[in-house]
This record gives sequence, C-alpha cells and structure tokens, in this order.
Amino acid sequence: AQSVAQPEDQVNVAEGNPLTVKCTYSVSGNPYLFWYVQYPNRGLQFLLKYITGDNLVKGSYGFEAEFNKSQTSFHLKKPSALVSDSALYFCAVSGQTDSWGKLQFGAGTQVVVTP
Amino acid sequence: KAGVTQTPRYLIKTRGQQVTLSCSPISGHRSVSWYQQTPGQGLQFLFEYFSETQRNKGNFPGRFSGRQFSNSRSEMNVSTLELGDSALYLCASSFLGGAEGGELFFGEGSRLTVL
Repeated sequence: AQSVAQPEDQVNVAEGNPLTVKCTYSVSGNPYLFWYVQYPNRGLQFLLKYITGDNLVKGSYGFEAEFNKSQTSFHLKKPSALVSDSALYFCAVSGQTDSWGKLQFGAGTQVVVTP
Repeated sequence: KAGVTQTPRYLIKTRGQQVTLSCSPISGHRSVSWYQQTPGQGLQFLFEYFSETQRNKGNFPGRFSGRQFSNSRSEMNVSTLELGDSALYLCASSFLGGAEGGELFFGEGSRLTVL
C-alpha cells in the first residue's frame, strides 16, 4: 500500500524568501507523485507531477519539485515566496498506472507567508 | 472550458437523513473520483467511476454509494447520516488518457453539515 508523509503541519516564511514544503512517500514499484494546493473554502488545484524523466519538475505559479528516489522524497520548492502563496499544500502519490483517479494524499502543510 | 461543477455547495442535514451530491466533470473527461475531506482524517478516497463502472472503492461503509451516468456526470449518496459524515466532499475528474498522466481537476466541493 502506498503512503505519503508531510512532516510539517505548518511552514512559516517571509515574503521573498525561499519556500520548501517536504514530502516523503512509500509505494511499491514506480511512484507517481503530485502536488496540489488548496485555498480556503475551495477545491484542490494541481501544481505539478512527476511520472518519469527529469528529477526536477517545474509546475504552475513558479513552483518546482525534486524527485529523489534514494530518499523517497518529493519536496516542493519556490525560490521566492509571495503572500498569495499562503495556502494548504498537499502531496499525493499513486502507485497504479491504470487508475489515475485514486490518489493517496498526505495530511497537508499549511504555508504562511508574511509580508 | 468549464471546470468541475458540484452541487449543492452547502447543505445541512440531520442525523438519519440521506443526501445526494452531484458532480459534472469537465467536458470530455470520463473519470470521476470522490474524496471526503475532514479536519481529523484529511483527504480520503471514496470511489472512482470510469465509463459508468466503479473502478476503485475506498474504505467507507456501505452507506456511501455512487454512480456515474452515460454523460459522465456522477452522483454520490450517503444514507442514514451520522454526525461524523460532516465534511467537504470533493469531486475530481480526469481524462484518463495514457499520456495525460494523472492530473485531477477538482470541483470546489459540497460542504455537508450533519446536525
């Protein structure tokens, strides 16, 4: 069975500073990894995904993530955080190539960016 | 193109009642998944439908059911509501083409409160 861990409940960062949100995973076989963001009272928005290929994945709104197979990690990063990046971030994994609709989500990390 | 539409957005029910939630996927998307989001349990997978067939089911009691129609629209039903069913119910659609790689498009959710 697959699982995802987001070790930090909350990350605080000042605007303009680098932002990192951590994620580790456990899955049988090749992992399919995703990051989603949720704003208050809204659904989830897709940021980026890793399926195969380059370990550095670039996504929406200036976010990127690095897949590290040896450390089973998929940390989300942004070089310069904005106040508008304040939201709830979810890492997710799928180990099934034939059922993209079923994802295992982490508990989420609240990001707070202060001016 | 229009996004995933969920109705109703908010509803209040009492224990023992039943509820039906509706989801209209993005045009052309054939897969619809449902997730339950609560502060305590986070995001949990309920079920996934593809071409009117249930492909996956999460660990929820039989009170939770769903279906998908020929136009890909989906409904989920919860019978004999319990207080613990209070949650944000999220619907997500995807095309499920092989090259698509698993991006889910989420609706804004239906917030159910059980009194």
